[in-house]
Amino acid sequence: DVKVTQSSRYLVKRTGEKVFLECVQDMDHENMFWYRQDPGLGLRLIYFSYDVKMKEKGDIPEGYSVSREKKERFSLILESASTNQTSMYLCASGEARGLSRNTEAFFGQGTRLTVV
Amino acid sequence: KNQVEQSPQSLIILEGKNCTLQCNYTVSPFSNLRWYKQDTGRGPVSLTIMTFSENTKSNGRYTATLDADTKQSSLHITASQLSDSASYICVVSRPLMSTFIFGSGTRLSVKP
Repeated sequence: DVKVTQSSRYLVKRTGEKVFLECVQDMDHENMFWYRQDPGLGLRLIYFSYDVKMKEKGDIPEGYSVSREKKERFSLILESASTNQTSMYLCASGEARGLSRNTEAFFGQGTRLTVV
Repeated sequence: KNQVEQSPQSLIILEGKNCTLQCNYTVSPFSNLRWYKQDTGRGPVSLTIMTFSENTKSNGRYTATLDADTKQSSLHITASQLSDSASYICVVSRPLMSTFIFGSGTRLSVKP
């Protein structure tokens, strides 16, 4: 079974703190993604990475950065947490697109971050 | 603009009843469409995948249909169970694109 593991299920941080959310996958997937999920808005892509040290901005990258030093690990960084970053954060991984029609995103269990 | 819209936003049904969730998309070109189930406080898990050449696919009590001409998909749940209470998310992929386009989901509550 594919396993995508996020380091924390629940996290409470103070405004202005630097926050690290870690994600590890064990399927040797090229692609990794960070989403945030808010009621009524669905999943919105923050950043994704298609290879080690490679990253692409998603739809809402402002206030976030990412790091992918190893293929299996993709970190999301909130440089200075703000209350509007309170959300559910979901990490996902998947194979490189290529010509495959069946690429699937495998999700971690999510991290519920509250910024106070 | 590439979009995926789902309806209804939320749904309450009694245990044992059937229900149908809708997904309309404007994504083009189109590669495949997946339905995910997301339990409260958990990450989404794939239920079915359909490519443009497939009309219907079943996974137990879940049956997905796809009409690539009208760009509509539905997820039919038969004989609902309490454990079906979850959010159901429609996700569309494009050829050779790494990212996915998500609908905002339908929140299903099954009551005893």
